[in-house]
Amino acid sequence: DAKTTQPPSMDCAEGRAANLPCNHSTISGNEYVYWYRQIHSQGPQYIIHGLKNNETNEMASLIITEDRKSSTLILPHATLRDTAVYYCIVRVASNAGNMLTFGGGTRLMVKP
Amino acid sequence: DGGITQSPKYLFRKEGQNVTLSCEQNLNHDAMYWYRQDPGQGLRLIYYSQIVNDFQKGDIAEGYSVSREKKESFPLTVTSAQKNPTAFYLCASSMSLRADGYTFGSGTRLTVV
Repeated sequence: DAKTTQPPSMDCAEGRAANLPCNHSTISGNEYVYWYRQIHSQGPQYIIHGLKNNETNEMASLIITEDRKSSTLILPHATLRDTAVYYCIVRVASNAGNMLTFGGGTRLMVKP
Repeated sequence: DGGITQSPKYLFRKEGQNVTLSCEQNLNHDAMYWYRQDPGQGLRLIYYSQIVNDFQKGDIAEGYSVSREKKESFPLTVTSAQKNPTAFYLCASSMSLRADGYTFGSGTRLTVV
């Protein structure tokens, strides 16, 4: 799997957009970008994923650069409940013996 | 509702004792996983199983054992050989090997006393 680099922590004001960056400069052509988040003392929760087009769902938007070497997860109107650790993961969509690995992630603190 | 259940939520163990953590899912998922998380760290894969009666070691399998006798169940035993077992343990399941379909349990916090 391609290695990812995320800032260890970020702050965001409640109601503002939270933009979480992820660098994955060694990504391969068949690898997707996945985002999960983990609220304190709970299991991670899937947010969104994409290959090269921008994606949006009810939770967030994912912007992937044209060269696919980096991406940004956007929470359009952050709430206090969005305070969590956000993990960016790069891997192929389905592959035997290639499990999800979770690095340190970005600890997002949403402040009132 | 379908989901994945871990029990107990908190577990205390004396040094030298084996302890088994339960993980049950009713999502009809084929694959199940066990992760370990230490404070302020990411998740590390202990064991995974893609099908009943088959399982594979992850990155940190030493001192742990698992079984997969039923599709719904994937218990993890922390043995006395695990030198530093105090951690947060998370079980997950997924349909086949899709990376977007991981469902996690709420975790078991194990403390050695």
